[in-house]
Amino acid sequence: QKEVEQNSGPLSVPEGAIASLNCTYSDRGSQSFFWYRQYSGKSPELIMSIYSNGDKEDGRFTAQLNKASQYVSLLIRDSQPSDSATYLCAVGGGGNKLTFGTGTQLKVEL
Amino acid sequence: NAGVTQTPKFQVLKTGQSMTLQCAQDMNHNSMYWYRQDPGMGLRLIYYSASEGTTDKGEVPNGYNVSRLNKREFSLRLESAAPSQTSVYFCASSALGTGSYGYTFGSGTRLTVV
Repeated sequence: QKEVEQNSGPLSVPEGAIASLNCTYSDRGSQSFFWYRQYSGKSPELIMSIYSNGDKEDGRFTAQLNKASQYVSLLIRDSQPSDSATYLCAVGGGGNKLTFGTGTQLKVEL
Repeated sequence: NAGVTQTPKFQVLKTGQSMTLQCAQDMNHNSMYWYRQDPGMGLRLIYYSASEGTTDKGEVPNGYNVSRLNKREFSLRLESAAPSQTSVYFCASSALGTGSYGYTFGSGTRLTVV
């Protein structure tokens, strides 16, 4: 059973701070890694993808991957109230499916 | 582009009733998926279709059937609804069957079975 683990939160950070979201996965054969943002009552929206070890930056978002430790993280710099949402980690094994974590709720406080 | 369109957006069923959830994508994606999302359980795969003409069971297929009508459309049927099927259902599609490019999700169907 492939597993993707996330801390459910809520993770509370002040506006302007860095939010750090973490995810671990069990399948060492995993090849693709994604972060989705889901606002309450809405569908998940893809915000970041990463496929190789290291960091990938896109605007205020940085995804970090460490395959040896089976660890993926998402950093959000200069956090804004509009970043308040649930963040889902998803992992693909090269087949046809993604496995999702249960999500971490992020609250950015004024 | 509409992306992934799901209908209906809301539905209330009585136990034992049947219904079909419709999903269509206009992105020429090969793979399509049906997930359910429950509080504390995350997204769980019900069925998927890697390509037109194929369907496979996911993690929680019991009580559901699917049809890949053509490349664009993938429907989910509940033959005899049960309260345990109360959930939010999401359809998703992917450009390649590998999942390497992530999914695009529809807006969801909020189903209540009473």
